[in-house]
Amino acid sequence: GENVEQHPSTLSVQEGDSAVIKCTYSDSASNYFPWYKQELGKRPQLIIDIRSNVGEKKDQRIAVTLNKTAKHFSLHITETQPEDSAVYFCAASITLQDDMRFGAGTRLTVKP
Amino acid sequence: NAGVMQNPRHLVRRRGQEARLRCSPMKGHSHVYWYRQLPEEGLKFMVYLQKENIIDESGMPKERFSAEFPKEGPSILRIQQVVRGDSAAYFCASSPRGAEQYFGPGTRLTVT
Repeated sequence: GENVEQHPSTLSVQEGDSAVIKCTYSDSASNYFPWYKQELGKRPQLIIDIRSNVGEKKDQRIAVTLNKTAKHFSLHITETQPEDSAVYFCAASITLQDDMRFGAGTRLTVKP
Repeated sequence: NAGVMQNPRHLVRRRGQEARLRCSPMKGHSHVYWYRQLPEEGLKFMVYLQKENIIDESGMPKERFSAEFPKEGPSILRIQQVVRGDSAAYFCASSPRGAEQYFGPGTRLTVT
């Protein structure tokens, strides 16, 4: 089955700096890669996703890149703000089967 | 369109009792997933269901845990004879065909 690894497990940045979180996956058939943000005590919220026919996707300060050959994808947050502090999870799935496997999460702390 | 609903939000059970967790998917969603999140850990896939069918239960413990998604009514995650190690947040998510999953607020189970 699919195995998703996520690094780093914790990340601390200064407000205004960029943050990058990386994930690798094992199943080359995976073609859907969402990212979730989970604030303390709350539900995971989908923040951005990418499908395998696209190499990069941007939404304001957030971008995701995908390298299908290397089987890795990354989340980039620019101009970080304290409210970006949360745990971020990557995931991968094979769309037709709709099974999603999550990375272990990255705890991002943005220091003011 | 109401989001994914879960109840109860908090559940306290004594060791040996049964826990029943309910999940009502978003309107029009026929796919339901259950995840467990231990304190300070990531989301672990448990089971994927469609109406009246279990599609993938590879993440479910072999004993004491069961799940159903009947033709009418919510999906139920049932834990028999709970133990302290079952204490966790249990999230369900729903999706239409197409893989984007939307999470419910979670049920926090505490076993005393």
